[in-house]
Amino acid sequence: AQSVAQPEDQVNVAEGNPLTVKCTYSVSGNPYLFWYVQYPNRGLQFLLKYITGDNLVKGSYGFEAEFNKSQTSFHLKKPSALVSDSALYFCAVRDVARQLTFGSGTQLTVLP
Amino acid sequence: KAGVTQTPRYLIKTRGQQVTLSCSPISGHRSVSWYQQTPGQGLQFLFEYFSETQRNKGNFPGRFSGRQFSNSRSEMNVSTLELGDSALYLCASSLGLDSYEQYFGPGTRLTVT
Repeated sequence: AQSVAQPEDQVNVAEGNPLTVKCTYSVSGNPYLFWYVQYPNRGLQFLLKYITGDNLVKGSYGFEAEFNKSQTSFHLKKPSALVSDSALYFCAVRDVARQLTFGSGTQLTVLP
Repeated sequence: KAGVTQTPRYLIKTRGQQVTLSCSPISGHRSVSWYQQTPGQGLQFLFEYFSETQRNKGNFPGRFSGRQFSNSRSEMNVSTLELGDSALYLCASSLGLDSYEQYFGPGTRLTVT
């Protein structure tokens, strides 16, 4: 069975500093990986996906993610954090049946 | 283009009752998936519908059911509500079965008392 782990429940970073939100996955076959963000009282917003190709994937709002097959990781990154980036971030993997399995989420707080 | 809409946004029900939640996908999207989000279990997949047929189902009891109409709108029903069914229910739409990106609605917050 596939699984996703987000080892950090909470990440704090100062505004203007780079941020990283970690994600590792376990799946048989080729991984289809996603990052979503959730703001309070809102649904999930799609940030980016990795299906195949370049290991560095660029997404919305200046976010990018690095796919590392040997480490089975798909960490979310942004060079310079904004206070408005504060939200709950979910990593997800899709299996051959198209079912999304989500990680437990990481609360990102960007401090002014 | 309008996003995914879910109604109602908030709902309070009593144990033993049943509830129906509605989801209207983005225009042109034919696939609708439902998820349950709780603090304890996180985000869990309920089911997926495409062309009025359930294509995929998560590990939930039979009290949870759904359907999709010819206009791609979808409803999910929970019968004999339990306290543990209190959750945010999210609907997501995508163009079709081979689409990788899902677009989520704002969710319906169900509270069971």
